[in-house]
Amino acid sequence: GAVVSQHPSRVICKSGTSVKIECRSLDFQATTMFWYRQFPKQSLMLMATSNEGSKATYEQGVEKDKFLINHASLTLSTLTVTSAHPEDSSFYICSARVGPSGGYNEQFFGPGTRLTVL
Amino acid sequence: DAKTTQPPSMDCAEGRAANLPCNHSTISGNEYVYWYRQIHSQGPQYIIHGLKNNETNEMASLIITEDRKSSTLILPHATLRDTAVYYCGPHAGGTSYGKLTFGQGTILTVHP
Repeated sequence: GAVVSQHPSRVICKSGTSVKIECRSLDFQATTMFWYRQFPKQSLMLMATSNEGSKATYEQGVEKDKFLINHASLTLSTLTVTSAHPEDSSFYICSARVGPSGGYNEQFFGPGTRLTVL
Repeated sequence: DAKTTQPPSMDCAEGRAANLPCNHSTISGNEYVYWYRQIHSQGPQYIIHGLKNNETNEMASLIITEDRKSSTLILPHATLRDTAVYYCGPHAGGTSYGKLTFGQGTILTVHP
């Protein structure tokens, strides 16, 4: 099956620094990638949709200048959390899909990145 | 957005069938019913999807009511490793870039 990787799996940083998280589709080309955030004991919240070669579409309430998304190739999308603060501590998960195409477009999820901001 | 409701939690004995319900009363004609699950601290895992007909794969069976307003995911022989949060809902397929949004899900606990 299709595999999506994320790097790093876990990161701890100081308040005010920026952190980059990579999301890669390993064995397929992902036209679209999605970024989610998940706080403890809560559901996944979609942050943004990223299409290769174009600007990301952010969900309402998500600051695009704080969460920079780059989808430079069909196998790589990056999320940069700029000037991170403790409230940005969360589990960040990406997903990737091929398409759109006829039928159901399954999303393949990465294993997630645990960000802790001190 | 379409509203999806699931029971917050369910228990199941190991080896028994787990039947997880989902209400998606506002699903539209071109939307699939999807199920994913998330084991603690991991990314979600695709389970199954369907449009109108019941579906079965190596993981589970999906029963969709005739009016498509609700569905049931069946894990025929639950194991301890099936303990997870299960998410369902409508998802646009076809040529849509339809977003996959997650509700609160059902926490399934499989006990010995």
